[in-house]
Amino acid sequence: ILNVEQSPQSLHVQEGDSTNFTCSFPSSNFYALHWYRWETAKSPEALFVMTLNGDEKKKGRISATLNTKEGYSYLYIKGSQPEDSATYLCAFNTGNQFYFGTGTSLTVIP
Amino acid sequence: DTAVSQTPKYLVTQMGNDKSIKCEQNLGHDTMYWYKQDSKKFLKIMFSYNNKELIINETVPNRFSPKSPDKAHLNLHINSLELGDSAVYFCASSPTDGGIGTDTQYFGPGTRLTVL
Repeated sequence: ILNVEQSPQSLHVQEGDSTNFTCSFPSSNFYALHWYRWETAKSPEALFVMTLNGDEKKKGRISATLNTKEGYSYLYIKGSQPEDSATYLCAFNTGNQFYFGTGTSLTVIP
Repeated sequence: DTAVSQTPKYLVTQMGNDKSIKCEQNLGHDTMYWYKQDSKKFLKIMFSYNNKELIINETVPNRFSPKSPDKAHLNLHINSLELGDSAVYFCASSPTDGGIGTDTQYFGPGTRLTVL
């Protein structure tokens, strides 16, 4: 069993604040790292797929970085809005297996 | 337009029954998956099919049998349901090869199964 850990487990921020959270994964057998956004009562929605050490991806106010050597990825949200409230999941991909973290639950308070 | 759909959305049944959950994708993807979200909110892959062929079969009881009549459908049949099967089951699809590489997966809305 492979451990993919996300921290913090939950987070409350004020509207307008910027925030970030972490996905930690094994540094061996790395193939890709996926980030998903999962709103309550909906299905996970893909944000990023990252493959190369040092990768940075951006989608609007959300961005992510990847360090495969030390086994972590950061997700950043700039100027959080209430609609950003969701669980953010990362998934570590070895090329033939997918391992999800338990997610970081973000609540943005208006 | 629904990309990945699952039916039913909720399923409540008695222990020992046999039930099926259907999944359909209209994205033209080659690969489909079933995931189980357990009580700790982990998403665990159960099966993956590529062009109707099984490519991942995680350690799940053989009471669970996926069936892929064509590449747009991957149904999950569960025999002799047990209390521990209660969970949310998600179907997903991705464009190519096992999709386990760098392909983005598109998830269905989930089916909440409750076994009484």
